[in-house]
Amino acid sequence: DQQVKQNSPSLSVQEGRISILNCDYTNSMFDYFLWYKKYPAEGPTFLISISSIKDKNEDGRFTVFLNKSAKHLSLHIVPSQPGDSAVYFCAASPHFTSGTYKYIFGTGTRLKVLA
Amino acid sequence: DTAVSQTPKYLVTQMGNDKSIKCEQNLGHDTMYWYKQDSKKFLKIMFSYNNKELIINETVPNRFSPKSPDKAHLNLHINSLELGDSAVYFCASSQERQGSYEQYFGPGTRLTVT
Repeated sequence: DQQVKQNSPSLSVQEGRISILNCDYTNSMFDYFLWYKKYPAEGPTFLISISSIKDKNEDGRFTVFLNKSAKHLSLHIVPSQPGDSAVYFCAASPHFTSGTYKYIFGTGTRLKVLA
Repeated sequence: DTAVSQTPKYLVTQMGNDKSIKCEQNLGHDTMYWYKQDSKKFLKIMFSYNNKELIINETVPNRFSPKSPDKAHLNLHINSLELGDSAVYFCASSQERQGSYEQYFGPGTRLTVT
C-alpha cells in the first residue's frame, strides 16, 4: 500500500522552462511534506518543505504547492537549469504526539533538463 | 565539512557474514535514522533514535540491530546476511524543532551480498 505516489517516473524539460513534479498521497493525517533531490551515488538533499497549514511555500527557484482536498502536492522549478537534472522524491509524515516525524517517501521522478 | 557521513560507501560480502555500517553527524542533531533503499528505489525507514533512545523500530528482521553510542553516532549491525539484504542504506539526522522537520541524509552505503 503505497501512501505516497509519484506517478511520473521521468520528466524532460527544456532549460529555462518550468519543471512541475507531482506527488499524490492517500493519508489525510499527513501533516508535513518534504521534497528531496538526489544525484547518483549521493544521498538525498533536502530542497523545500511545506506544512499542512499552508498551501504554498517558496524558496528561490523552488515553489511547493499543497492541495489538501485533492491530497496532492507539486514542486515547481523556475527557470529549470541543467544542474537540476536529478531524481526528485516527495515525502510525507503525520505528526506524532511524541514529536517524531516518520516520513514515507514516493518512488521518485527523474528530471532531465535539456540544454 | 561533511554533515552526515557513512562508512563504508561500498560493502561486498558473502551470505551468512556479519557486517556493520557506521554513521556520524556533526550537525548537533538529536535524532538519527536508518533508511533502506531497495532495488525498486523505495526508500523506507528502518529505525530512529532520539538522544540514544530507540523511538522508531519498523518491521525489520531482528538480524538488524542499531546501536547509538552517543547522539552523534548511529551504527547498523547486520547478522547472518542474506541475498535480500542487498540495498543502499542511508543514515539521516534531524533536529525537530517548531517549523523545521527536515532530515539530512548521508551519502549511502551500497551493500551487496553474494
